[in-house]
Amino acid sequence: DAGVIQSPRHEVTEMGQEVTLRCKPISGHDYLFWYRQTMMRGLELLIYFNNNVPIDDSGMPEDRFSAKMPNASFSTLKIQPSEPRDSAVYFCASSFGAEETQYFGPGTRLLVL
Amino acid sequence: AQRVTQPEKLLSVFKGAPVELKCNYSYSGSPELFWYVQYSRQRLQLLLRHISRESIKGFTADLNKGETSFHLKKPFAQEEDSAMYYCALKSSYKLIFGSGTRLLVRP
Repeated sequence: DAGVIQSPRHEVTEMGQEVTLRCKPISGHDYLFWYRQTMMRGLELLIYFNNNVPIDDSGMPEDRFSAKMPNASFSTLKIQPSEPRDSAVYFCASSFGAEETQYFGPGTRLLVL
Repeated sequence: AQRVTQPEKLLSVFKGAPVELKCNYSYSGSPELFWYVQYSRQRLQLLLRHISRESIKGFTADLNKGETSFHLKKPFAQEEDSAMYYCALKSSYKLIFGSGTRLLVRP
C-alpha cells in the first residue's frame, strides 16, 4: 500500500478563491482525520470521519471550511473563500479502528496570498 | 482540559550524547500517549506508543502518571535522529499534539 495519499502537495492561491484538498486513506481503514499544522497553533484536529460519516467537526475553524467523504477511499477538505490566515500544512490521516495507529499522509502545503 | 506540553522548541546535542525530549500532559482518566516523528521532507510517522512498551530506533518512553509525563529518551544520539518530535495524547479517538521539539544532533 502506498500509504495515505494527499493532493495537491503544494497549493498557492489568491484570497477569495476556493481551495479543495484531497485525501485517499489506506485501503480498509475506517477512520479518517484532517489536521492542520501552523507555526502558531501547531497540529490541531479539524474533523474526523468513521465509515464515511463525520463524527466530530468541532475543530473546523468556521463555515468557510467543509469536509466530505463520499466513499471509503476519498475525502475532500474545502475552503471557500480562502483567506491568508488559512495558510498552513493540512494533513490527512487514517486508521483501522479507533484504537489503532493513525497513519499520516505527506500533507498539502497551502499558501493563500 | 486535555493538553500536551512540550516545553522545548529546540534541543541541540552532540552525536553520542544522551537525549531527553520532555512531554507533560493533562488528562482526566487513563491516558494513551504517543511519540510521532517528522524527518525533513517526510510525513509524520509513529515512533512509539506507551502501551507497546517497546524501543524503536533506540528510543524509549515511560509513562509516569504521578508526574503526568511521557519523556522520550535515547542514551546515544545519532545524526539521523535530527527531526521534529511530537508528543500526542489520544482523547475520544482523536490525537491532541504538543507543539513539537526540534532535535538537532550535531557531529
